[in-house]
Amino acid sequence: AQSVSQHNHHVILSEAASLELGCNYSYGGTVNLFWYVQYPGQHLQLLLKYFSGDPLVKGIKGFEAEFIKSKFSFNLRKPSVQWSDTAEYFCAVTPNTGGFKTIFGAGTRLFVKA
Amino acid sequence: DGGITQSPKYLFRKEGQNVTLSCEQNLNHDAMYWYRQDPGQGLRLIYYSQIVNDFQKGDIAEGYSVSREKKESFPLTVTSAQKNPTAFYLCASSNPEGSGANVLTFGAGSRLTVL
Repeated sequence: AQSVSQHNHHVILSEAASLELGCNYSYGGTVNLFWYVQYPGQHLQLLLKYFSGDPLVKGIKGFEAEFIKSKFSFNLRKPSVQWSDTAEYFCAVTPNTGGFKTIFGAGTRLFVKA
Repeated sequence: DGGITQSPKYLFRKEGQNVTLSCEQNLNHDAMYWYRQDPGQGLRLIYYSQIVNDFQKGDIAEGYSVSREKKESFPLTVTSAQKNPTAFYLCASSNPEGSGANVLTFGAGSRLTVL
């Protein structure tokens, strides 16, 4: 069965620290990849997406992610986090077969200390 | 503003009662979805609908039912058959492309507590 694994359930960082959240998926075919973010008290929203082309994609608020096909990975990075990045981050995958089913990872709660 | 409205935001029910969660969208999206969010488990797909009068089961459909009589509405009923209904329920919509490039727009969620 298809699945998405996020390596860390909870991450605590100080402001200005660098961030990398791991995400691996299990699916043999071509996929579309996403990171969604849920800020406290707000709707879940799209942070960035990869459909094709350059495997390094940039999203909102200085986040970026790199698709490494050989490793089935789509890790999220930010060079310098801010207190306002405190949120829960979800990696998600949709198989590139015309399907509607998006599979989510368990989420990573990030807390940034001011 | 375009978006998804879920109601109620909080709901308390006794065991054995069916409850219906409302989801309305004015984004003119074709597809709608219901997910369940539990701590440490991410989002799990309950049901989804690609077009009006059509819907498919997701990974955890047992104990739930849906209808899609109008494009903008996709209500979810949590029946008494659902063994562990206490959870946070998220409704989403999208206009999927054939390649699976499917960006979801989410509502604010409904938190159901069964006493």
